[in-house]
Amino acid sequence: DGGITQSPKYLFRKEGQNVTLSCEQNLNHDAMYWYRQDPGQGLRLIYYSQIVNDFQKGDIAEGYSVSREKKESFPLTVTSAQKNPTAFYLCASLGTGEETQYFGPGTRLLVL
Amino acid sequence: AQSVSQHNHHVILSEAASLELGCNYSYGGTVNLFWYVQYPGQHLQLLLKYFSGDPLVKGIKGFEAEFIKSKFSFNLRKPSVQWSDTAEYFCASGGGYNKLIFGAGTRLAVHP
Repeated sequence: DGGITQSPKYLFRKEGQNVTLSCEQNLNHDAMYWYRQDPGQGLRLIYYSQIVNDFQKGDIAEGYSVSREKKESFPLTVTSAQKNPTAFYLCASLGTGEETQYFGPGTRLLVL
Repeated sequence: AQSVSQHNHHVILSEAASLELGCNYSYGGTVNLFWYVQYPGQHLQLLLKYFSGDPLVKGIKGFEAEFIKSKFSFNLRKPSVQWSDTAEYFCASGGGYNKLIFGAGTRLAVHP
């Protein structure tokens, strides 16, 4: 089945620790996106990538980093510089010429 | 900067009641507008979208939305809700590079 997978479903982070959230898609989509969802604030764009080896900051990129070494994969690292990382993180992808982003199931990040 | 606002954060209805969720967008140029739904424990999925043409757009599960350019609005409607419509609903507009700008979301609870 084609789709987007995110892992893990739940992730716990200790103070000062970097953690990496996985996003993989087998839809052959060029563009991929990371959003953060907080209660009462909707989804906000963290980073996006239009093509392999290229990515741009979204509206709330501080404290996050990404890489796009493969078309299928767009991992997000939450660094220790992100002071309020507790949130639900959603990955999405979009095919060239298509109009609708497809979303993964999300990863919920909690701080210990 | 582009923005999307949703007027109601929480809505509680009884089954068979009519639904209208408000959405206003700020961008004055060409807009692409979307309504997404997030059922409990499920992926964010597309309900409907508007790019051009007939301003009354029909989506899945009996939902429709009307684009009113003069009011910068794209309200979501359903004539008769069901318990299974309990979910969170997000209005979004398309930005450059196919980025999505989301509203804060509306939590709908439908009681039997």
